Amino acid sequence: EVQLVQSGAEVKKPGESLKISCKGSGYSFISYWIGWVRQMPGKGLEWMGIIYPGDSESRYSPSFQGQVTLSADKSISTAYVQWSSLKASDTAMYYCATGEGDCSGGSCFWDYWGQGTLVTVSS
Amino acid sequence: QSVLTQPPSVSGAPGQRVTISCTGSSSNIGAAYDVHWYQQLPGTAPKLLIYGNANRPSGVPDRFSGSKSGTSASLAITGLQAEDEADYYCQSYDSSLSAFYVFGTGTKVTVL
Repeated sequence: EVQLVQSGAEVKKPGESLKISCKGSGYSFISYWIGWVRQMPGKGLEWMGIIYPGDSESRYSPSFQGQVTLSADKSISTAYVQWSSLKASDTAMYYCATGEGDCSGGSCFWDYWGQGTLVTVSS
Repeated sequence: QSVLTQPPSVSGAPGQRVTISCTGSSSNIGAAYDVHWYQQLPGTAPKLLIYGNANRPSGVPDRFSGSKSGTSASLAITGLQAEDEADYYCQSYDSSLSAFYVFGTGTKVTVL
């Protein structure tokens, strides 16, 4: 059974750093892209970026380029997104998902999703 | 601001048919990129509902169907049930200067 299990909720102060995780199991972790999606409170879904755990190639949505860093550790089947300096506007639910298809070419859908990690940034 | 536009809400009585539109442009849906649909029940992660414009993953009831034409796509729900009350998002890829995956604005389906 394919599973993506995300790390637990975080409460941080503005300016702090953070790294959240997404651990895959039940499939070949290195062979499928992982995507990260933000959902701000009461709002819609937004793409942050995607990463290919096999070689850590990553691509970012223009809105998130320079704001977050995606990484992956294939030895423990885990993908990460990290912030170096959080802002209050980073308060959101963050989801990871596995991609099926030619994800580097735009022909990809996202078939398995993690349960989400709630990040709250408040002074 | 999303490049895929959906109606904010649609509603219907149990058993009725509702449709959700997803309007794009020549740089996304009209550029032959596939459209996929996701259902997000309250307080849960999104779930893949339709992929490749019209295909249902295993386990998704055939009450859900998708179609695509030109620069738009649609999701239809026939025989609406109370458990279908959720947010629905279309998703594609945009090849403009800001090339990346995109979601639609989302549609809240209410079962009356």
